[in-house]
This record gives sequence, structure tokens and C-alpha cells, in this order.
Amino acid sequence: DTGVSQDPRHKITKRGQNVTFRCDPISEHNRLYWYRQTLGQGPEFLTYFQNEAQLEKSRLLSDRFSAERPKGSFSTLEIQRTEQGDSAMYLCASSLAIGGSGNEQFFGPGTRLTVL
Amino acid sequence: AQSVTQLGSHVSVSEGALVLLRCNYSSSVPPYLFWYVQYPNQGLQLLLKYTSAATLVKGINGFEAEFKKSETSFHLTKPSAHMSDAAEYFCAHYTGGFKTIFGAGTRLFVKA
Repeated sequence: DTGVSQDPRHKITKRGQNVTFRCDPISEHNRLYWYRQTLGQGPEFLTYFQNEAQLEKSRLLSDRFSAERPKGSFSTLEIQRTEQGDSAMYLCASSLAIGGSGNEQFFGPGTRLTVL
Repeated sequence: AQSVTQLGSHVSVSEGALVLLRCNYSSSVPPYLFWYVQYPNQGLQLLLKYTSAATLVKGINGFEAEFKKSETSFHLTKPSAHMSDAAEYFCAHYTGGFKTIFGAGTRLFVKA
């Protein structure tokens, strides 16, 4: 168990550029989450996958955001035409949906995005 | 709507003093409750969780939390603060389905 990993850890981009982040969950975990965290706030839910199916998307996730989880393994989050308001920490978490676990989530280290 | 309220965005204690971080949740559904810690530029690490077993939950690094249904609270405590406890702490609430709601966080400062 190597934990949840995210790549890159930091990304600086210019407004209007596209960026893509990768998350590798804990291998046996069937649930995968993306969150956005801004300074002084808790994680805000963006989207959720159960295996390869994207089952829920927050209204925070505009049309410029897209997420995939091919084959139910790693996931990517793409932001098109980035805006300065997209600057945040993007966190990935995974969990194993079993009864009694309370959906305990394991978090990756995050990708910090700065849009200039 | 389901919510988690953390009272106090910043808490400052002296090294060796009691740490008390407050969390209240809003839901009548029997909850699962979590406390996470986040160090700068890192992800969230689970400190402890309540899953309807014992109401007093012990976690890592000497932290514990008590679930009080009558007060809808799940406050985090540590008898004696250490400099390494300085971090941001998040309370979270899961009531089923897929969604976990996080509080806004409390930043803990520890003075020497």
C-alpha cells in the first residue's frame, strides 16, 4: 500500500492554458474523489467515481472541467481555458466502500495550481 | 442541508497546554464523523473517526474526540500540546451515499 499519489505536485500556468492532473488511488479502492481547496477553507467536493463510472459532479465543476477514470484505476482531472479563479489546491482521495467504514477517505498530497 | 461547523478559524495554545478544537454537525441521521489534520502543502491525514462504537474515540498523536449526540458535537482534544501539533484540523461528516462534508478548518498555533 503506497497510498494515494498525485502528479504534478505544483503547476504554474498562464490564463487560458489547459492543465491535466493525475491521481493514482490505493489499488483496491473502488471510490475516487476530487476536491478543490482554497486558502482557509476545507475541501470542496468536485466529483466522484465508483470504479470507472462518474456518478456525481458538483455544480462547482463547470464545463471547463472534465474528469475521467478509465478502467477504474487512475484518474485525470483536466481544466480547459484556465482562469485565475481556478488557482487552488486540487486534492484526490480514495476509499473502499464497505459497510461500517463510514467511507473513510485517504487523501493524496494534492496538486497546487497557480494560474497567472 | 447537511453542514459541519468548526468554531474558531484559529486557536492558539502554549506548549503543554490543553488543546480543544470544536466541531458541530447538523444532521439527525446517525453519523460517521472524522477529524483530519493537514500540514502545509500536504494532503489530509486521518486523526480519528467515530463509527457508532464507543463515544470516546482515541486517535493518533495523543488526540481524542467525544461524540455527544445531544449536543451534535464531536470536539477534538489533546491533553498537552506539542510544537509538532501546529497544523490545520478539519472535522468531517458522512451520513451515507458518497458525500462527506468538511468543515472550514481550524488552524492550531502552538507557542513555545
